[in-house]
Amino acid sequence: KAGVTQTPRYLIKTRGQQVTLSCSPISGHRSVSWYQQTPGQGLQFLFEYFSETQRNKGNFPGRFSGRQFSNSRSEMNVSTLELGDSALYLCASSLGATYTEAFFGQGTRLTVV
Amino acid sequence: KNEVEQSPQNLTAQEGEFITINCSYSVGISALHWLQQHPGGGIVSLFMLSSGKKKHGRLIATINIQEKHSSLHITASHPRDSAVYICAVERGSQGNLIFGKGTKLSVKP
Repeated sequence: KAGVTQTPRYLIKTRGQQVTLSCSPISGHRSVSWYQQTPGQGLQFLFEYFSETQRNKGNFPGRFSGRQFSNSRSEMNVSTLELGDSALYLCASSLGATYTEAFFGQGTRLTVV
Repeated sequence: KNEVEQSPQNLTAQEGEFITINCSYSVGISALHWLQQHPGGGIVSLFMLSSGKKKHGRLIATINIQEKHSSLHITASHPRDSAVYICAVERGSQGNLIFGKGTKLSVKP
């Protein structure tokens, strides 16, 4: 079956702009989690959605937001981009129950100039 | 101090060697994940475990809940095993993972 699909794969934006990233989970998966990876901070949890509801949120400013649609596809949005937002953004999908394996997408590499 | 510590940070091995990567954590967890990340960024989930030991092919993962410690072993290592291996702990809420800094493994032929 198809894996987790993230689009776009690469993105270049200017400071102050906003950006929307998309994640299509594996069919049947209802949970989508988002992570940011930078050389300095490593991987950090952004938020998790299950059945269109945000269940968990990491320690990121309000400029980072997300949503999930009824087909489980998820988007994350970053407003007023800063240079420090340059990172690899990864999403992972799972069935959503406790102790279920997560499957990661290839990521979207965002560069803010 | 990071809540999840991995060692070593970098590891170079010869093909065929037995490899061990360690992960220690300081918080209560519901599960521990071992992930593999190749250049280019994609992450593959290798194991998710909450107790005992799991084995997939040449990979073995163990966890000791009392000691808050997990190990990832690779037997008969191969150059295609070269990647960054990341330990992550789950604190009871789905998806809310705390990650180690990763171990960069290079296996030479």
